[in-house]
Amino acid sequence: GAGVSQSPSNKVTEKGKDVELRCDPISGHTALYWYRQRLGQGLEFLIYFQGNSAPDKSGLPSDRFSAERTGESVSTLTIQRTQQEDSAVYLCASSFSFAAGELFFGEGSRLTVL
Amino acid sequence: GQNIDQPTEMTATEGAIVQINCTYQTSGFNGLFWYQQHAGEAPTFLSYNVLDGLEEKGRFSSFLSRSKGYSYLLLKELQMKDSASYLCAVRAGGAGSYQLTFGKGTKLSVIP
Repeated sequence: GAGVSQSPSNKVTEKGKDVELRCDPISGHTALYWYRQRLGQGLEFLIYFQGNSAPDKSGLPSDRFSAERTGESVSTLTIQRTQQEDSAVYLCASSFSFAAGELFFGEGSRLTVL
Repeated sequence: GQNIDQPTEMTATEGAIVQINCTYQTSGFNGLFWYQQHAGEAPTFLSYNVLDGLEEKGRFSSFLSRSKGYSYLLLKELQMKDSASYLCAVRAGGAGSYQLTFGKGTKLSVIP
């Protein structure tokens, strides 16, 4: 597609369950970013990929969070044993390279943990 | 770490000019970005500054002073559709590893 695609757009889960969020970046974009945005809050950096490597994982909130990227394309963000504080919109963005100025954001995956 | 400050909210009148300030403290500065985010939507790119000075793009201009750790976004001829949150973001790091950190955003309300 022409833009960054994320799925699911909405996910409601029970506390303690695992969830997987998917991001399809713009074709040819080597850099991919994951952010979290809680209601009414700013964007919180989670992780970014350059190609399939993640040079900076410092933003992952806990070891329940993990992310991978394959084929310099699709990325998945996995949250294990979800907690209520994980409820947020998870935004994915891609850019032509990590040195490029403009990030293109997807519409986000809204996660609600009951 | 990085510290980015911007006002929480601002109100301005349609047709007027508004300036949204952003101050930051960081090491390994590698660029400052402004994004616009309408409620319930994803952020969209507005501008990018890496050198000191003013970048103009239509009704929007962005200024950077690296020595002062300061930037502003200037919006001219305000329209109702400009009501949104404006996010200041700083890229910093080094040795091939960069992080783009966003401020909490400034919610701009444009009134008739």
